[in-house]
Amino acid sequence: QKEVEQDPGPLSVPEGAIVSLNCTYSNSAFQYFMWYRQYSRKGPELLMYTYSSGNKEDGRFTAQVDKSSKYISLFIRDSQPSDSATYLCAALHSNYQLIWGAGTKLIIKP
Amino acid sequence: DGGITQSPKYLFRKEGQNVTLSCEQNLNHDAMYWYRQDPGQGLRLIYYSQIVNDFQKGDIAEGYSVSREKKESFPLTVTSAQKNPTAFYLCASSKGSNQPQHFGDGTRLSIL
Repeated sequence: QKEVEQDPGPLSVPEGAIVSLNCTYSNSAFQYFMWYRQYSRKGPELLMYTYSSGNKEDGRFTAQVDKSSKYISLFIRDSQPSDSATYLCAALHSNYQLIWGAGTKLIIKP
Repeated sequence: DGGITQSPKYLFRKEGQNVTLSCEQNLNHDAMYWYRQDPGQGLRLIYYSQIVNDFQKGDIAEGYSVSREKKESFPLTVTSAQKNPTAFYLCASSKGSNQPQHFGDGTRLSIL
């Protein structure tokens, strides 16, 4: 079992829909959680960075962490075709190593 | 404009050849990292450096080498001992070990 699990998709939704992307993790030593967006042939771009359980909002993006369930989510409101990309979740271990999910490919249909 | 620059964008390696991938950052970050990305897999850590003249092996360091002679630069050499080098290589940096990592746009390495 991988330490951070993420459904590879692809996840296809119509433009304007609310998107929900999810990861589960197994290690209670993970302290910080991040979401990155990666376009094809590009490096990952940091979207959200959270520490505590609860919600963090930034524009159309909301990151949610539930440490009791070891579950992290990214919600995208009013999705746009430009949101089509691979979304990577990552968890920072207490030894400062970043553990990555495999990424979910998201397709927003116009 | 601050950021991380990786070069070249595409690289081809012949059998038995060592190749070096460049990574330069002007973000004044202390920590730098090299990852390998294969299709359908998460990023895997090759090497990381928290300070100049010091670096540690990651999960898949065999067949790779690095140096950190300057804060801004962290080149990765893919040696002939790496038998499956075809992958997308990503360099990242962070202000500290518990801070978010920022990435360059990668180098795609292929075998001739």
